[in-house]
Amino acid sequence: AQSVSQHNHHVILSEAASLELGCNYSYGGTVNLFWYVQYPGQHLQLLLKYFSGDPLVKGIKGFEAEFIKSKFSFNLRKPSVQWSDTAEYFCAVNVKAAGNKLTFGGGTRVLVKP
Amino acid sequence: KAGVTQTPRYLIKTRGQQVTLSCSPISGHRSVSWYQQTPGQGLQFLFEYFSETQRNKGNFPGRFSGRQFSNSRSEMNVSTLELGDSALYLCASSSPGQGTSGGELFFGEGSRLTVL
Repeated sequence: AQSVSQHNHHVILSEAASLELGCNYSYGGTVNLFWYVQYPGQHLQLLLKYFSGDPLVKGIKGFEAEFIKSKFSFNLRKPSVQWSDTAEYFCAVNVKAAGNKLTFGGGTRVLVKP
Repeated sequence: KAGVTQTPRYLIKTRGQQVTLSCSPISGHRSVSWYQQTPGQGLQFLFEYFSETQRNKGNFPGRFSGRQFSNSRSEMNVSTLELGDSALYLCASSSPGQGTSGGELFFGEGSRLTVL
């Protein structure tokens, strides 16, 4: 079975700082990779996705993620965060050709101080 | 386009009771998945339905069940409730997810269940 680990449970940073959240997964086959975000009081929503092709993918709100196959990693980055990026971020894995089942990491709570 | 709608949003039950949660997917979406979210265990997959058939199932006891109707609406049921079933239950819908592009889900706001 696949598993996903996120390195940080909580991150606190100031506006304009750079953000990088780590995500590693364990699964021997081919996967689709996702970052989902849950803003305070809002529902979980897709931030960005990787299915194939260019391993550097760009999502909404200036976020990007890089898939490094050899490291089983899919780290999320944003060069300069804003207070509105305060949220919980979840990395998730989907096994290709196996429906829509997602395995989520434990989540990282990010607090951006104004 | 309306999003995923879950009802009820909040409910309180006592141990031993059962509960039914409802989910209306985005129009045109035929895949519906359910997740349990708790502070301790995070987001855990319960099951996925596609065209009224269970396509995937997570590692939950048989007390947790679901179904999907011909209009793609879905329900999940938990019988003989335990204190540990207190959680936010999330429903998500998606386009079929066939082939190799699965996993892009649209989530509802959830049904928060408290078991006393």
